[in-house]
Amino acid sequence: DTQLTQSPSSVSASVGDSVTLTCRASQDINDWLAWYQQKQGKAPKLLIFLGSSLQSGVPSRFSGSRSGTNFTLTISSLQPEDFATYYCQQANRFPYTFGQGTKLEIK
Amino acid sequence: QVQLQESGPGLVKASQTLTLTCTVSGDSLNSGSYYWSWIRQPAGKGLEWIGRIYAGGSTNFNPSLRSRISMSVDMSNNQFSLKLDSVTAADTAVYYCAREVGGDCYFDSWGQGALVTVSS
Repeated sequence: DTQLTQSPSSVSASVGDSVTLTCRASQDINDWLAWYQQKQGKAPKLLIFLGSSLQSGVPSRFSGSRSGTNFTLTISSLQPEDFATYYCQQANRFPYTFGQGTKLEIK
Repeated sequence: QVQLQESGPGLVKASQTLTLTCTVSGDSLNSGSYYWSWIRQPAGKGLEWIGRIYAGGSTNFNPSLRSRISMSVDMSNNQFSLKLDSVTAADTAVYYCAREVGGDCYFDSWGQGALVTVSS
């Protein structure tokens, strides 16, 4: 299976800060990576697909990029509603796998 | 706008079969552009993809669960279902159904989730 390793596992930041979350794939997955936001007790919400494409309706402060097998999700100017857990997911090959998540907390 | 809703027993006895149904509204299972997936999440843990089904009935399953899984579609009711055999406590989780965009392979719509607890 393709392993996805997210770092950090948790991070604290303040409203207005910019944060970058990382997802490293254990093998080449091309651009087959999506990012999701999950709030407590809710289903995940799609933010980014194909590495860097912003899902319709998602604020432009969210952006994704890729360098080799390393993917980043950057959230600029954090808003109160952005504090949540973020997961990456690969779809390059079966089985689809998710990272273990990064919890973004308010400082 | 598509909506997905999981339904099924919240409590299943160990060694029995877990059965969940996802009802889709606002889109047709037969639209041809999507796959229909199941994903689960144990309490406090990450997400695990279980498998997917296409309207025509073709499936892809996670090898870790393949021997215990079956999926089906009911076009007349616009529903798809998951059966997981021989459940254990390790199968206790929130189960989500989700729509996967065909070709691009990401989940753009999710159900609210259904908690299934396996009891001994």
